Amino acid sequence: NAGVMQNPRHLVRRRGQEARLRCSPMKGHSHVYWYRQLPEEGLKFMVYLQKENIIDESGMPKERFSAEFPKEGPSILRIQQVVRGDSAAYFCASSPGHSPQETQYFGPGTRLLVL
Amino acid sequence: AQSVAQPEDQVNVAEGNPLTVKCTYSVSGNPYLFWYVQYPNRGLQFLLKYITGDNLVKGSYGFEAEFNKSQTSFHLKKPSALVSDSALYFCAVRDFRSMDTGRRALTFGSGTRLQVQP
Repeated sequence: NAGVMQNPRHLVRRRGQEARLRCSPMKGHSHVYWYRQLPEEGLKFMVYLQKENIIDESGMPKERFSAEFPKEGPSILRIQQVVRGDSAAYFCASSPGHSPQETQYFGPGTRLLVL
Repeated sequence: AQSVAQPEDQVNVAEGNPLTVKCTYSVSGNPYLFWYVQYPNRGLQFLLKYITGDNLVKGSYGFEAEFNKSQTSFHLKKPSALVSDSALYFCAVRDFRSMDTGRRALTFGSGTRLQVQP
């Protein structure tokens, strides 16, 4: 019973390049959440998606960041024209989608380093 | 708005002694409260949660937490610490009323590093 899968685990980009982070939720889960963790800080919510729908993007930066969760395949967090301040760990979580009370289960994260 | 405070950056405890990691919260309505643990270069592992009911919640690896509404606290406890418990612990909250707006974002504290000495 695989947990939440994220890849790549580590990603190095130069300033101005694009970063694509992928997240496959746990089997049976239809809700996906993305969080960002800056060094020595807690996690900050970015976006909440269901299949083919963005439900809450209140934590997403207005520019350069986008997310999708297509009908088939993993959820993608895309960062265009990366800057050094984007260096962080990006965590994906998933939940079944049956109840507002349900637990979010986290993946191992993608650590992005922008040179 | 919802917020979480973890007042201690680090907690040191000797193996075999009881441990407490503190968490206080602020929400407009009733809270859903969670504890997660993070080991180095790993994701967050769920420990336990409070939704409703008994104020004392039991979770994984012998951890428990006590919900105190009057003090708006949800401290994590364990009767006897192990060296392997050394990790970063995060408290998180979600406002029950946020469900009406479709928002499920967790608000996390800044984390408390637990160091258990042999």
